[in-house]
Amino acid sequence: GDSVTQTEGQVALSEEDFLTIHCNYSASGYPALFWYVQYPGEGPQFLFRASRDKEKGSSRGFEATYDKGTTSFHLRKASVQESDSAVYYCALGDTNAYKVIFGKGTHLHVLP
Amino acid sequence: GGIITQTPKFLIGQEGQKLTLKCQQNFNHDTMYWYRQDSGKGLRLIYYSITENDLQKGDLSEGYDASREKKSSFSLTVTSAQKNEMAVFLCASSRTGGSAETLYFGSGTRLTVL
Repeated sequence: GDSVTQTEGQVALSEEDFLTIHCNYSASGYPALFWYVQYPGEGPQFLFRASRDKEKGSSRGFEATYDKGTTSFHLRKASVQESDSAVYYCALGDTNAYKVIFGKGTHLHVLP
Repeated sequence: GGIITQTPKFLIGQEGQKLTLKCQQNFNHDTMYWYRQDSGKGLRLIYYSITENDLQKGDLSEGYDASREKKSSFSLTVTSAQKNEMAVFLCASSRTGGSAETLYFGSGTRLTVL
């Protein structure tokens, strides 16, 4: 079945560092790809999506480009802030069923 | 805008107990979901309901029942709580059941089984 694999565990950066969280997917066709962010005590929030090859999604300084060739949708931000500390989830829309499949999450810690 | 309300926020149960979690949404969305969140395992789909009279099993449905009472509400029942179980249960909704739809989440019910 469809699946998503992302950078596992925790990522620790200092403010103004460049962020990359890797996300690779396994699915047929062109599934919609998403990034969600979850702050402590809250549910995940939609960050952005992309639905076709080479499409770039972006929000709040974060961005990712849909790459069908490498089956990837890596999350990047040029300069992280302490307020970006959260858990980030890569997800894909299963085109064979009405559901969204999530990766295991990456916990970003940004140190002041 | 809208909101998803999950009750209770915290749920403590005993081993073998039947426990019910409730979710209400005022987005007027067709589709609702229950996910389980465990540390290091991400979000796993338990049940979902595409429309008001529909119920679909997810990948983790064993040990759970679900009920879509009306368009705005979706309940999840843990049929027999497992000792030392700890997890967060997240309810979500989307405008339709399309796979490209945005999911809107509640803040979760935190379950602890003694």
